[in-house]
Amino acid sequence: AAGVIQSPRHLIKEKRETATLKCYPIPRHDTVYWYQQGPGQDPQFLISFYEKMQSDKGSIPDRFSAQQFSDYHSELNMSSLELGDSALYFCASSLGQGQDSPLHFGNGTRLTVT
Amino acid sequence: GNSVTQMEGPVTLSEEAFLTINCTYTATGYPSLFWYVQYPGEGLQLLLKATKADDKGSNKGFEATYRKETTSFHLEKGSVQVSDSAVYFCALSDANTGNQFYFGTGTSLTVIP
Repeated sequence: AAGVIQSPRHLIKEKRETATLKCYPIPRHDTVYWYQQGPGQDPQFLISFYEKMQSDKGSIPDRFSAQQFSDYHSELNMSSLELGDSALYFCASSLGQGQDSPLHFGNGTRLTVT
Repeated sequence: GNSVTQMEGPVTLSEEAFLTINCTYTATGYPSLFWYVQYPGEGLQLLLKATKADDKGSNKGFEATYRKETTSFHLEKGSVQVSDSAVYFCALSDANTGNQFYFGTGTSLTVIP
């Protein structure tokens, strides 16, 4: 079965640079979520989109922005990168926004800021 | 507010031992509860879920029962295998808070032969 695809798998950037992470949800899934996971920590919710509109916002810094496109893929844009942005970034998708709809996660993008 | 509390790890068990990972939650409404498993270098995978009180979720020998009276969703497995070594996350989703997922801090399990 098709899963959530994230690219790139690994990304190394320097401080103050920008990065763009991409997420391709499971076909027919209309909701995309972005999470940030620091080493040994639980995933922290950043932002979500439903039907190409932002649906919820978590602890996403103002330096970050995201959008969901007409084909439902999503991109997370990160600017003025800081060392503390080094983390695993996960995208997840679901069908609908009901509380019973489980999230399906991609394998993540590991961002290292040097 | 909503939150999930998991027993702290790491947990180390011998193969075929009994596993329990405790999870309790706080929620404003009537959440759905989930267990996710994360293998090294991978994303979280849904292990099981329960959507209402007294529901039992089960998958791959793992079980968890939604206990409203104790606000718990403990994960159990009767006989663990080396391949079960991973990090386990308890999570809830609550319609009262926009269906945002709240995760526990994760419990690392290592099963030794």
